[in-house]
Amino acid sequence: ETGVTQSPTHLIKTRGQQVTLRCSSQSGHNTVSWYQQALGQGPQFIFQYYREEENGRGNFPPRFSGLQFPNYSSELNVNALELDDSALYLCASSSPTSGRPTNTGELFFGEGSRLTVL
Amino acid sequence: QKEVEQDPGPLSVPEGAIVSLNCTYSNSAFQYFMWYRQYSRKGPELLMYTYSSGNKEDGRFTAQVDKSSKYISLFIRDSQPSDSATYLCAIRNSGNTPLVFGKGTRLSVIA
Repeated sequence: ETGVTQSPTHLIKTRGQQVTLRCSSQSGHNTVSWYQQALGQGPQFIFQYYREEENGRGNFPPRFSGLQFPNYSSELNVNALELDDSALYLCASSSPTSGRPTNTGELFFGEGSRLTVL
Repeated sequence: QKEVEQDPGPLSVPEGAIVSLNCTYSNSAFQYFMWYRQYSRKGPELLMYTYSSGNKEDGRFTAQVDKSSKYISLFIRDSQPSDSATYLCAIRNSGNTPLVFGKGTRLSVIA
């Protein structure tokens, strides 16, 4: 079973540039979530995609956008990069839950893409 | 007030010690309570989860939830150097809603 893979692992950009981060979800998972983890902080929810549609968004500006493809892989795009966008970007995949208490829709995280904005 | 509060530490203990990690939360609608472990330069991995109140034990790890106090805990018995990592509490309303994470507590277990 292939886990969640993300690329690139590290990248450096300058302010104002644009970046695209990629994620391949775990086999059998049709839901992908993206989280931003700043240094010394917990992950913050950016948005979630289910069957190629965004179905939840955190408190991030519109310059953060995403896509999910028919094979359930996903991209995170960030335009007009700012210094505060420097962080570890985590992708997590899951299967939707049935709503039963024992099924938590466990999130499986990738190892992240570390973005530095100079 | 942040939705989830967690002391970031760092916490340093000798090998074999019992470790207690804690979080408090503000929203009584939260129902799923999780602990993730994150090694340096890695993604978080799910360690324990609990639905509603109560205790859950898995080997050396015990998770406790007290919904009346909005307080969750993770206990690690007989701690090992391999337990050295950042421990993140995470909470959600239902199985499909986003996780709300604490800041994480960095733990070092010294041999």
